[in-house]
Amino acid sequence: DVKVTQSSRYLVKRTGEKVFLECVQDMDHENMFWYRQDPGLGLRLIYFSYDVKMKEKGDIPEGYSVSREKKERFSLILESASTNQTSMYLCASSSPTSGQETQYFGPGTRLLVL
Amino acid sequence: GIQVEQSPPDLILQEGANSTLRCNFSDSVNNLQWFHQNPWGQLINLFYIPSGTKQNGRLSATTVATERYSLLYISSSQTTDSGVYFCAVEQKNRDDKIIFGKGTRLHILP
Repeated sequence: DVKVTQSSRYLVKRTGEKVFLECVQDMDHENMFWYRQDPGLGLRLIYFSYDVKMKEKGDIPEGYSVSREKKERFSLILESASTNQTSMYLCASSSPTSGQETQYFGPGTRLLVL
Repeated sequence: GIQVEQSPPDLILQEGANSTLRCNFSDSVNNLQWFHQNPWGQLINLFYIPSGTKQNGRLSATTVATERYSLLYISSSQTTDSGVYFCAVEQKNRDDKIIFGKGTRLHILP
């Protein structure tokens, strides 16, 4: 079974803090994604990566950056957290070589920025 | 970009009832997935179904790509089916980006 893990289930930070959200997958997937989920808006793509050291902006990249130094790990960084970044953050991975490009999700991180 | 619309937005049913959830999309897609998000927030894949029909136990899904819609059927609902159901599509020629609908919130009453 594919396993995608995220470093924290719940996180509380203060405005202006630097925040790291870590995601690790154990299936050697090439593609990894970061989404945020907000009531009434569904899931929105922040950034994705299709290879080590590669990154692409999603639909809402402002205020975020990412890092993919190793294939299994994809980090989301909030350089200076703001209250409007309070959200549920979901990481996912997929492989374009699997024949079925199903996305597998981590359990999510609920971030509260005070 | 592509629009993904799910209906209904909310659904409350008694245990044992059947339901049909719909996903409309505005452009051609490479693939389509249905997910279930449980009350704890975990997103679980249900179906990868760019076209045709698939069944898995009490759940089945049909995608009619030429008419740009997909249906998720849940039969004999159980309380554990509660949660939010998302449809997600990958638009053709958009390199792995997945667009999600806003979801259908399903509440199954005991």
